[in-house]
Amino acid sequence: QSVLTQPPSVSAAPGQKVTISCSGDSSNIGSNYVSWYQQLPGTAPKLLIHENNKRPSGIPDRFSGSKSGTSATLGITGLQTGDEADYYCESWDSSLSAELFGGGTKLTVL
Amino acid sequence: EVHLVESGGGLVEPGRSLRLSCTASGFNIGDYHLSWFRQAPGKGLEWVGFVRGKTSGGTTVYAASVQGRFTISRDDSKNIAYLQMNSLKPEDTAMYYCARGPGFYAYWGQGTMVTVSS
Repeated sequence: QSVLTQPPSVSAAPGQKVTISCSGDSSNIGSNYVSWYQQLPGTAPKLLIHENNKRPSGIPDRFSGSKSGTSATLGITGLQTGDEADYYCESWDSSLSAELFGGGTKLTVL
Repeated sequence: EVHLVESGGGLVEPGRSLRLSCTASGFNIGDYHLSWFRQAPGKGLEWVGFVRGKTSGGTTVYAASVQGRFTISRDDSKNIAYLQMNSLKPEDTAMYYCARGPGFYAYWGQGTMVTVSS
């Protein structure tokens, strides 16, 4: 059972917007940065968002991140079929001294 | 260009050992944190541990699930990081990835599969 909680799945139509939530507590999200990763089937994770809301070079601005208190949210606008993947939030936990991942959210673009 | 390549995976019997390698290119491995992650078949990502960069003391931190069984080390002269896995259990079966830190992981290897089974 993951300490960071994500919905198992979300879905939306092409062109629409979707948000994925990630809930933690004061030891992780509440006091440390959040990163988001996209994992396409059979491939390594890819960094989408770091330090809560920063996009690495090459990541389109359709992807956005935010954090409030002990929760974080990944937003994806202008959905494309190529966005179908698993998405993971991640944060350091200061009490556990461990990197934590959410359980992952499978995005389906209908 | 930053590149990470894992190797050393395979089929191993429960209780045995295996050493994975993470060969880096495009940067000096000693200047960065180097983390290991794993992903069991059909499951989510799990952090295994990391070795800090030289300027941060080169110390290691491990997940509770592998503490005492797994050891991360680094050979700066070869630009390779290692994951020594001892007393392997069936639940250690997973794809193992290395990635460059600290804090967030922009560079990942392609992974190497470890299967623990008799």
